Amino acid sequence: DTAVSQTPKYLVTQMGNDKSIKCEQNLGHDTMYWYKQDSKKFLKIMFSYNNKELIINETVPNRFSPKSPDKAHLNLHINSLELGDSAVYFCASSQVMAGVNEQFFGPGTRLTVL
Amino acid sequence: AQSVTQLDSHVSVSEGTPVLLRCNYSSSYSPSLFWYVQHPNKGLQLLLKYTSAATLVKGINGFEAEFKKSETSFHLTKPSAHMSDAAEYFCVVSDWVTGGGNKLTFGTGTQLKVEL
Repeated sequence: DTAVSQTPKYLVTQMGNDKSIKCEQNLGHDTMYWYKQDSKKFLKIMFSYNNKELIINETVPNRFSPKSPDKAHLNLHINSLELGDSAVYFCASSQVMAGVNEQFFGPGTRLTVL
Repeated sequence: AQSVTQLDSHVSVSEGTPVLLRCNYSSSYSPSLFWYVQHPNKGLQLLLKYTSAATLVKGINGFEAEFKKSETSFHLTKPSAHMSDAAEYFCVVSDWVTGGGNKLTFGTGTQLKVEL
């Protein structure tokens, strides 16, 4: 059973388009995250939601809008795609308990903007 | 703010020889530290974590790491490399976040190459 899943796995689109990436976790976790991995493999957090509430919003263009319909889902919508948005986007989830704070990652979505 | 520095961007070893991937951290308090591994075109998998219990942490696939406060280090080791260990390795520090959850700050990664 896949713990954190993302769709689609690959996304190729033209500049200026709007696209969405979906994430679902079946771990019962309260917190979900989006990370961006650039071409040099550097990973940086973008957003996190805890129980459907936005907690972390790093310096990300407002063309990126996360949406959490329930605590098992965190989607990422990107408007007016730019070449620099090409990256691998990872979703993750965690359940914060005393002394336990590891995050479980999805397989990633490779976005290519032409 | 907490941060981690991975001292080597590339490490190459022969199969069967020891692996050492170096990581130094910067933190004003006792940090939570992790090592994650990313195989080519795959997601990230947790290798091990340090959360202020034992300073020597054992992880999956024979990896371990030692937390050394005096050296602000959390180096990853394995006694004998296997071809399947070839991957990108990330040292990560965690910050608690008001409102729930935690924020991971990743190092720049070390690519491990294992040769026959």
